[in-house]
Order: sequence, then C-alpha cells, then structure tokens
Amino acid sequence: EPEVTQTPSHQVTQMGQEVILRCVPISNHLYFYWYRQILGQKVEFLVSFYNNEISEKSEIFDDQFSVERPDGSNFTLKIRSTKLEDSAMYFCASRRARGDTEAFFGQGTRLTVV
Amino acid sequence: AQSVTQPDIHITVSEGASLELRCNYSYGATPYLFWYVQSPGQGLQLLLKYFSGDTLVQGIKGFEAEFKRSQSSFNLRKPSVHWSDAAEYFCAVGSFSGGYNKLIFGAGTRLAVHP
Repeated sequence: EPEVTQTPSHQVTQMGQEVILRCVPISNHLYFYWYRQILGQKVEFLVSFYNNEISEKSEIFDDQFSVERPDGSNFTLKIRSTKLEDSAMYFCASRRARGDTEAFFGQGTRLTVV
Repeated sequence: AQSVTQPDIHITVSEGASLELRCNYSYGATPYLFWYVQSPGQGLQLLLKYFSGDTLVQGIKGFEAEFKRSQSSFNLRKPSVHWSDAAEYFCAVGSFSGGYNKLIFGAGTRLAVHP
C-alpha cells in the first residue's frame, strides 16, 4: 500500500543550525502539507503546497521556514536557524486531488533542538 | 474561527468495555470531520470521516462516529475495546478555502486499556 515516508525519524540539532526534514509523498498526489506537534500539544497546521507554490501557511510558518519540492518526488521543510521551541514532531501529509478529502500522513520526524 | 475541542485528555477503559470519545467543533459552514488515531511511534491513521449524508459513519477497526449538528459534536464510539486500541485519538475538522486546505485538530484523547 502506498505510504508517505519521512526521514529521518529523529534528528537532534544545535540551536541556530539549519535542518531539512524530508518527505516522500505518495506518487500521484498533488497536495502536500506539513504539520507539527509540540510534545503534549495538539497537531498544528504549518503549510500547504500545491503546483509548486505555497497555497496557505499558518502564523507559525515565519521566515525561518521554507518548503520545496526539488525533484518532483521529495517534499522538504527547511528551518534556517533552529530555536529550542522548534523541538516537535513534524508530520508530512499528502492528498491526491482537489476533490479528495483524505490526507495521508507520514510517521513523523521528531526534531530535538539542544 | 474554526476549532475542535476534545474535553477528555485521558480515558481508561477495561478491555471489552464500550468506548465513547467526545469531540466538539466550531465551524461556520458544513464541516468535514475526521477521526485519526496515532499509535506510539506511528503516524496519524484515518479512522473515519464525515462529509454529508448519513450522520452515523462507520470506520476501520470497528469504530463509528455520529455527527450531531445541533450539538456540534462528532463523538467516536466502539462497542468493545481491544487492548490494541490503546493510542491517542485526534478529532479534526477540514477547513475549506478553495478545497480543503488544512486540518484543524483537537488536542487529542489518550486511551489506555486495562486487561
């Protein structure tokens, strides 16, 4: 069964360093998302991406964040200068088409900023 | 603004007992509602969804949920819980702006199952 895959499963980085979280969405999907879940808190929307551009972003998604689909298969989230409060589980999701309602989630990348 | 409330942070039930997880939403239009489950170390798996039609929807793993517009609720139920159901459960509403751009999640309910 097709699935969304995320790498790495866990990443530890020093404050101020850049990190790139990687996702491979399901191959025929067109809509892509990043969500995050700070430990003990709810899952929060970060950004949606369609047709090689951001379609919506939340207030959390400031200039430190960027997304890219560099090669038609990967979908990445970059945090330029990590802060302690960026420590969270980051989920990638994809959706096939405009009329489809189900988003498929990856297993997440746990980012720890020290 | 759209929001989802899950009043119960933790619930513990005995194996074989019935289960109901509560979810209330705030949404201006007809909501698209979802329940996801997250097992330890796993991603979010869709249990069921509601868009229109029959207000009682069936999902995977024996779960069902009932949409009640008058109460703005979408409670998840299971008649007999199995130990493998221990997980965290998230209710979510789909926010439509040009075709379902994002999900808004509740805080989650952690379910523990006693043998």
